[in-house]
Amino acid sequence: AQSVTQPDIHITVSEGASLELRCNYSYGATPYLFWYVQSPGQGLQLLLKYFSGDTLVQGIKGFEAEFKRSQSSFNLRKPSVHWSDAAEYFCAVGPASNTGKLIFGQGTTLQVKP
Amino acid sequence: GAVVSQHPSRVICKSGTSVKIECRSLDFQATTMFWYRQFPKQSLMLMATSNEGSKATYEQGVEKDKFLINHASLTLSTLTVTSAHPEDSSFYICSGMANTGAPTDTQYFGPGTRLTVL
Repeated sequence: AQSVTQPDIHITVSEGASLELRCNYSYGATPYLFWYVQSPGQGLQLLLKYFSGDTLVQGIKGFEAEFKRSQSSFNLRKPSVHWSDAAEYFCAVGPASNTGKLIFGQGTTLQVKP
Repeated sequence: GAVVSQHPSRVICKSGTSVKIECRSLDFQATTMFWYRQFPKQSLMLMATSNEGSKATYEQGVEKDKFLINHASLTLSTLTVTSAHPEDSSFYICSGMANTGAPTDTQYFGPGTRLTVL
């Protein structure tokens, strides 16, 4: 079965600390992988995506993610978190044909302490 | 980036009535639009995919007669929840994509519509 698992429902980090949000997937074919951020009252915003090439992907707002095929993981990282990063983060997987049909993880709520 | 709007942002209706939600791509032509449903503290679940001018394709378990989707133009898709019941209360999110089949095609999401059925 195709699925995306984000093991951490809620994470709290101090401002300026590093961040890693975990994402594991189960997908039968070569996947496209995405990270989205959702802030209250706003639509999901694409942070970054991976579909081929370099397994370390750079995104917006200083985020990066690393695709590890052997571990079926696509973890999101940021070296120094800002208070404005507090939001809901979703990992998603889609087919390599990029039809747009995405399977989302449950989401991780990030809280940032001052 | 491209902008997708949804209207209304919140709607409260009585059980048995129908509710229409609009999804508009404001600065691009969305050849494909998607409708998702999100329950509290849960993931987004894809309900249906619609291509402009074609009938929507519904995901397994989604009642097409309950959730009517129209994608009559490249900038507008509507979702009508017919004969709404309390269990239909949820957060409905749409997205649009200029579908060229390229890896760079990106979905742009609307801010969502909170539906409460009393």
